[in-house]
Amino acid sequence: GAVVSQHPSWVICKSGTSVKIECRSLDFQATTMFWYRQFPKQSLMLMATSNEGSKATYEQGVEKDKFLINHASLTLSTLTVTSAHPEDSSFYICSAEGGLAGVVQFFGPGTRLTVL
Amino acid sequence: DAKTTQPPSMDCAEGRAANLPCNHSTISGNEYVYWYRQIHSQGPQYIIHGLKNNETNEMASLIITEDRKSSTLILPHATLRDTAVYYCIVRVTGGGADGLTFGKGTHLIIQP
Repeated sequence: GAVVSQHPSWVICKSGTSVKIECRSLDFQATTMFWYRQFPKQSLMLMATSNEGSKATYEQGVEKDKFLINHASLTLSTLTVTSAHPEDSSFYICSAEGGLAGVVQFFGPGTRLTVL
Repeated sequence: DAKTTQPPSMDCAEGRAANLPCNHSTISGNEYVYWYRQIHSQGPQYIIHGLKNNETNEMASLIITEDRKSSTLILPHATLRDTAVYYCIVRVTGGGADGLTFGKGTHLIIQP
């Protein structure tokens, strides 16, 4: 199947700082990318949907000014957690769909964020 | 609201077929059934999807009932590496991609 990468795989930061997570589709052009969040012992929750070149659509309850999403190209989307706090500590996972991937969403390996 | 219902956990002996059920009684005519699995601390892995016909690939088989209200994922020869949480998801495809709604899934444990 298609390959999606994320960087970094884990990050530890101090409260109040910002963290950027990259999501790349390696072997296909993704018309749509998604960002999910997963807290311990819970299922994935969709945070936002982004299409290349347009503004992201955020799910209810997700602060768009706190979780900045940029989808600058068909192979790259970034999620920036601004002014991170300990409650933002979570497993962040992206997925990509489109192009040769067709109607299947392929997921990245995830990024573990710990805010101290 | 969850669109699918799955048992919370199942056990299966290594080498045997693992049959994971899923109920989706409110599925619409244009919704596909997707299966993913998630091994601890990793991103979900796509397994298979289908509309109404049975599907098979190198990982698994998907059996969808004629009324499409339920389906079964079959792992033909389960190994220890198949231990994971399996998610059954229904979704419309094409024309405006939507994110996936994950329920609690089935925690499949393969016993040696």
